[in-house]
Amino acid sequence: DGGITQSPKYLFRKEGQNVTLSCEQNLNHDAMYWYRQDPGQGLRLIYYSQIVNDFQKGDIAEGYSVSREKKESFPLTVTSAQKNPTAFYLCASSTGTSNQKLLFGSGTQLSVL
Amino acid sequence: GQQLNQSPQSMFIQEGEDVSMNCTSSSIFNTWLWYKQDPGEGPVLLIALYKAGELTSNGRLTAQFGITRKDSFLNISASIPSDVGIYFCAGQLVLGANSKLTFGKGITLSVRP
Repeated sequence: DGGITQSPKYLFRKEGQNVTLSCEQNLNHDAMYWYRQDPGQGLRLIYYSQIVNDFQKGDIAEGYSVSREKKESFPLTVTSAQKNPTAFYLCASSTGTSNQKLLFGSGTQLSVL
Repeated sequence: GQQLNQSPQSMFIQEGEDVSMNCTSSSIFNTWLWYKQDPGEGPVLLIALYKAGELTSNGRLTAQFGITRKDSFLNISASIPSDVGIYFCAGQLVLGANSKLTFGKGITLSVRP
């Protein structure tokens, strides 16, 4: 069955450390997205990509970086510049950015040690 | 920027009761989406609405696209314990090649057995 896989489910970051969250999809979707979720705050867009080797900043891109070297993969790196990284991170995909019936992964909970 | 208002933040109902949630915006949208998120998981799409005035059902769920295009409603009938979760509305505005999806902050639903 097709779907989106996020890993790991739980991740811990030390001060000054970069960490990378994985997101893979086998749906042949062109568009992929990263959202951050804080309790009571809804979903905020970090980065999105409409096509391989291209991506755009969302509303809260500072302190994060992404790559899209393959259609199936859209990893998110939380850099040491992100001073408040503790959150639930959600990856999603859709057939295109004009059709945003997003399919979400099961999320990664990132916490700071 | 566009904002979606969902209130109250939490709702508590008795099993078997019906519940209604609404989502309002100061801007118009041409697509409304309703998602449900179980604890520790990614949101799952419940209903998508594409036309002002449209009324769509999915089992015990019914959603409507407001005539003004600035609001949407979700009704859950005969609630059961597995309806517990966070319900998000999302509005999408597509203008030519540009598209932006905006999420509400969500309503946490609790169902007492």
